[in-house]
Amino acid sequence: DTAVSQTPKYLVTQMGNDKSIKCEQNLGHDTMYWYKQDSKKFLKIMFSYNNKELIINETVPNRFSPKSPDKAHLNLHINSLELGDSAVYFCASSQGTGGIDGYTFGSGTRLTVV
Amino acid sequence: AQSVTQLDSQVPVFEEAPVELRCNYSSSVSVYLFWYVQYPNQGLQLLLKYLSGSTLVESINGFEAEFNKSQTSFHLRKPSVHISDTAEYFCAVSDPGNAGKSTFGDGTTLTVKP
Repeated sequence: DTAVSQTPKYLVTQMGNDKSIKCEQNLGHDTMYWYKQDSKKFLKIMFSYNNKELIINETVPNRFSPKSPDKAHLNLHINSLELGDSAVYFCASSQGTGGIDGYTFGSGTRLTVV
Repeated sequence: AQSVTQLDSQVPVFEEAPVELRCNYSSSVSVYLFWYVQYPNQGLQLLLKYLSGSTLVESINGFEAEFNKSQTSFHLRKPSVHISDTAEYFCAVSDPGNAGKSTFGDGTTLTVKP
């Protein structure tokens, strides 16, 4: 029973397209995150939601829009995809907002823009 | 603001040898410290964490890390590594006053050779 699941696992698309990545957690956690991992494996936070409310919004192009319909789901929509968006996107969750327990990560979505 | 520096990008070792992966951090506030492990094509998994109290923390698979406040370090060690320990290791700091936002180091690739 996967704790944090992301779909799709792989996504290959052309420049200019719009795509979405879905994330669901069944841990009962209050907080969910999106991280981007580039080709050098550097991880950078993008967004965080706590109980459907946006609490972290890093400097990310506004082509990226997160949506949280409920506290178990956090989706990421990307408009007008660019080559530089190619990366692995990780969803994560944690209990509370203090980060005291660390994160539980999904297995990632590898996005390739051609 | 907080930052994490992992001092070694790659660490090759032979099986059954000891290993140390070094991590220094910088923060103006008290933070929580974590080590995560990422196996190929997988998400990150929490390895161990330091919140407070005893400065030496251990994981279930033989890794340990020691928090050193004066040196602002949180180095990861294992006395005898296995081939299966080959993975990417990330040090992270979490700011409980900033929605638990975690900042990750650039990662250290541990390669265990037979």
